[in-house]
Amino acid sequence: DVKVTQSSRYLVKRTGEKVFLECVQDMDHENMFWYRQDPGLGLRLIYFSYDVKMKEKGDIPEGYSVSREKKERFSLILESASTNQTSMYLCASSTTGVGTQYFGPGTRLTVL
Amino acid sequence: AQKVTQAQTEISVVEKEDVTLDCVYETRDTTYYLFWYKQPPSGELVFLIRRNSFDEQNEISGRYSWNFQKSTSSFNFTITASQVVDSAVYFCALSEAWGAQKLVFGQGTRLTINP
Repeated sequence: DVKVTQSSRYLVKRTGEKVFLECVQDMDHENMFWYRQDPGLGLRLIYFSYDVKMKEKGDIPEGYSVSREKKERFSLILESASTNQTSMYLCASSTTGVGTQYFGPGTRLTVL
Repeated sequence: AQKVTQAQTEISVVEKEDVTLDCVYETRDTTYYLFWYKQPPSGELVFLIRRNSFDEQNEISGRYSWNFQKSTSSFNFTITASQVVDSAVYFCALSEAWGAQKLVFGQGTRLTINP
């Protein structure tokens, strides 16, 4: 059974803090993705990675960075959290050639 | 650029009614994939179906059916005899056929099934 896990379901941070969101998949997928979900806007792609140490910007990368040191793990980093980064963050993974992305449970981040 | 539009923001029906969720897409690619995902109140997106652009056959899975029409760039989703457990936000998405196959999502339709 496919499995994508995220380190926290709920997170509360203060403005200016450095925030790490972790995502782990156990399906040996090449591709991993970070999205944020906001009401009325659907899901928007922040960053994705198609291989270890490889990353590409998505549609809204500003204020975020990512790290992929191992195939199974993809981290999203908020260097200096701001209130407009309060959102639901969803991680996904897929295997190249098939295209179906499988999602984790999401992390609801609140920045005060 | 790719784009997906789900014009229905919210739909509310009574249990056992049939309901159709609309999805219209834009792409210049000749080969692409279309998806539907369900997001129940728990928050996790659940994959429902994937269709490639060469396969216009309608698909039925239990109470769920999908109507893909390339001529109108639509990929609509129908739930027959709806149940309260079908209440969720439903997303339609489009991906390129090559590379990392990034998904472009519609805004989502919140479906509420009332008992």
